[in-house]
Amino acid sequence: DAMVIQNPRYQVTQFGKPVTLSCSQTLNHNVMYWYQQKSSQAPKLLFHYYDKDFNNEADTPDNFQSRRPNTSFCFLDIRSPGLGDAAMYLCATSRDRSSGTDTQYFGPGTRLTVL
Amino acid sequence: GDSVTQMEGPVTLSEEAFLTINCTYTATGYPSLFWYVQYPGEGLQLLLKATKADDKGSNKGFEATYRKETTSFHLEKGSVQVSDSAVYFCALRHTGTASKLTFGTGTRLQVTL
Repeated sequence: DAMVIQNPRYQVTQFGKPVTLSCSQTLNHNVMYWYQQKSSQAPKLLFHYYDKDFNNEADTPDNFQSRRPNTSFCFLDIRSPGLGDAAMYLCATSRDRSSGTDTQYFGPGTRLTVL
Repeated sequence: GDSVTQMEGPVTLSEEAFLTINCTYTATGYPSLFWYVQYPGEGLQLLLKATKADDKGSNKGFEATYRKETTSFHLEKGSVQVSDSAVYFCALRHTGTASKLTFGTGTRLQVTL
């Protein structure tokens, strides 16, 4: 089945220790997104890639970076995690980004704990 | 800017009860509207969507109608099951803008026997 896969499902890191979260997709979609979801809150878009074109949200902290080496993979790098970065990180994909009808498909998420 | 407002939860219902989760939005133009469901410990799954006024989205017994006049997209189900217990997110997305889904804060539904 075509899908969005996130690894690991649970990640524990120490305060200030860089961490990388991984997302892969078999849908061959052009767009890949990273959302942050804190406990009992709505998902918040951090950034997205349209093909190789990186698009950052205006309020995303510099501490968060992303890489997309190819169509299938996208990584979220947190350079110096703080306690406030503990959250569920959701990866999503869509075929297009300019069509409002286009569905975003989400992965299962990676729950990040910062000690 | 765009915003989505959902009724506060948690909503607790007995199995086979009727469900309504209210969702209203503020946006310019004609966004597409979505309901996503999040089961415990999992990511979001698309439940249903509607792309223009008066469209009805439906899936797994859930329905929602895009009401332009009241800027609403209320989620309904005639008879809930314990397995429907989850958090439900209403969201909107515009055509022509860069991708962004604007979510409501989510409504937790708990269904008991």
